[in-house]
Amino acid sequence: DSGVTQTPKHLITATGQRVTLRCSPRSGDLSVYWYQQSLDQGLQFLIQYYNGEERAKGNILERFSAQQFPDLHSELNLSSLELGDSALYFCASSGRVPNTGELFFGEGSRLTVL
Amino acid sequence: DAKTTQPPSMDCAEGRAANLPCNHSTISGNEYVYWYRQIHSQGPQYIIHGLKNNETNEMASLIITEDRKSSTLILPHATLRDTAVYYCIAPDGMRFGAGTRLTVKP
Repeated sequence: DSGVTQTPKHLITATGQRVTLRCSPRSGDLSVYWYQQSLDQGLQFLIQYYNGEERAKGNILERFSAQQFPDLHSELNLSSLELGDSALYFCASSGRVPNTGELFFGEGSRLTVL
Repeated sequence: DAKTTQPPSMDCAEGRAANLPCNHSTISGNEYVYWYRQIHSQGPQYIIHGLKNNETNEMASLIITEDRKSSTLILPHATLRDTAVYYCIAPDGMRFGAGTRLTVKP
């Protein structure tokens, strides 16, 4: 158990819909990272937050947005969903100093868009 | 984008050492190299990291060349449960490349 909690574990929805994925980092971790992993693909870095502020941005689509709340949990919002958005979405957290220390990953949220 | 290069796949016999290479020629002097692995579709698992000295923990050893342009992850006695995709990450510690799919065979 990494200490990172992601909900929901599975989600099935239709094209054009909007979903929210939630991540609770390890206790004390200030950084949260979001990744997308399509079938048999590598991990695509989407975005990083540190203590509530956006820290780094990767290949995140404009239809996607994220935020980190004062209690440090984070949400990834995916809107106008397309079939190609079907993927595993992972959240990771790390310690107090940005971009140092190992990442601890949750078990992922599997999104299926029909 | 990832700044590392790894072979897409490797095989290893069970009980033998698995040596997984990684090139990170653009890494700068104070940037760490991190290794993770992902078994099936589980969340990636941290293995080890290093700066310039060789490192060892209960999971693996990490050998970093003196010029820091490449490193090798060593699993000393590979088991079937070590079959996974192994990712080498540098320099920012968060952008993953395609990794190496290691298959340990009986």
